[in-house]
Amino acid sequence: QTVVTQEPSFSVSPGGTVTLTCGLNSGSVSTRHQPNWYQQTPGQAPRTLIYKTNSRSSGVPDRFSGSILGNKAALTITGAQADDDSDYYCVLYMGGGLYVFGTGTRVTVL
Amino acid sequence: QVQLVQPGAEVRLPGASVTVSCKASGYILSSYNMHWVRQAPGQGPEWLGILDLSNGATRYAPKFQDRITMTWDTSTSTVYMELSSLRADDTAVYFCARELRATYCFDTWGRGTLVTVSS
Repeated sequence: QTVVTQEPSFSVSPGGTVTLTCGLNSGSVSTRHQPNWYQQTPGQAPRTLIYKTNSRSSGVPDRFSGSILGNKAALTITGAQADDDSDYYCVLYMGGGLYVFGTGTRVTVL
Repeated sequence: QVQLVQPGAEVRLPGASVTVSCKASGYILSSYNMHWVRQAPGQGPEWLGILDLSNGATRYAPKFQDRITMTWDTSTSTVYMELSSLRADDTAVYFCARELRATYCFDTWGRGTLVTVSS
């Protein structure tokens, strides 16, 4: 069974930088997994931040960036703001039309 | 503008089926895929499957393979997701989300339908 793992939580100070990662139990994450990143606040649908590893979705501030770090996908928030206080989920494409969501990371800005 | 409109809520008994609708507007459906994602209370999202709106091809998450069906009605621009043999742990918000083919990105989401399975 494919499991996509993320850190459960991070705390970051306003103006600080935090890097979230997205790993795969069966091996390394690469660009072929087309990593996407979504932000979600309670009661709302997810909002697309990053697609295809490092492409920012329309309207997303440039303080959000995506990359591959070692064997994981990564989302970096540079200069965190109060409204970045949210849950963040990665999604990996596993081939054959199949996708898997990560376990999610709760980011607290304080 | 682009919209995906879903009903607010459905209630079903255990063992029953539910069909959730997702009415699309503001874009050409055949250029996109439609995904379905669910989120149980207090849990993260879970991908259910994909429907290619150019040819009707589907692919479902293995966990749901034997009890999920995705279809669409071109005349009303509405996509449907049917889940059968419902259990209490199917209680969740069910979202539709579109993907411009080959972008691997769920760029627009419906607001979600809360499906409650309870006796």
